[in-house]
Amino acid sequence: GAVVSQHPSWVICKSGTSVKIECRSLDFQATTMFWYRQFPKQSLMLMATSNEGSKATYEQGVEKDKFLINHASLTLSTLTVTSAHPEDSSFYICSADRLAPYNEQFFGPGTRLTVL
Amino acid sequence: KQEVTQIPAALSVPEGENLVLNCSFTDSAIYNLQWFRQDPGKGLTSLLLIQSSQREQTSGRLNASLDKSSGRSTLYIAASQPGDSATYLCAVRNNYGQNFVFGPGTRLSVLP
Repeated sequence: GAVVSQHPSWVICKSGTSVKIECRSLDFQATTMFWYRQFPKQSLMLMATSNEGSKATYEQGVEKDKFLINHASLTLSTLTVTSAHPEDSSFYICSADRLAPYNEQFFGPGTRLTVL
Repeated sequence: KQEVTQIPAALSVPEGENLVLNCSFTDSAIYNLQWFRQDPGKGLTSLLLIQSSQREQTSGRLNASLDKSSGRSTLYIAASQPGDSATYLCAVRNNYGQNFVFGPGTRLSVLP
């Protein structure tokens, strides 16, 4: 089946630093990728939709200047958490849309971010 | 706006029991519905994907049904095992190219 990877799988950083998370579709091209966030004991919530070659669409309440999304190629989207704070500590999961042979969305393994 | 709920929130059963997890969604005009499993601290494992035109999907001991008109899906687990212990998430997608909306999950414990 189609594979989506994320890197890093976990990261610990100091408050105020920026962290970049990569999401790659390994064996298919994805014009659309999605970024979700999961806080402990909660479900996944959509943060933003990443579109190749255009600006991301952010959900209400998600700061676009804090969570920078770049989808520069058909196989890579990046999420940069700028000036991270402890409240940004969460599990970040991406997914990618495969269009052929039929439309299906595949999820990455997630990145656990801990901000000290 | 699509909303997804899951009942029960938590379930504890002895090994060997058959069980049913429930998922409800408010907007019946869905594209597809997917059931996932999530182990503590881990990512998502896709279990079953049901397209809007389908009524059920089966994989091993798992069977998922879909009733779009009533906005419901069930995940049936036969002969449960301790290794089935995890959180089960139901997610609905309204349209081609759109994101999934996730339910809050059912936390399952299967006791040996």
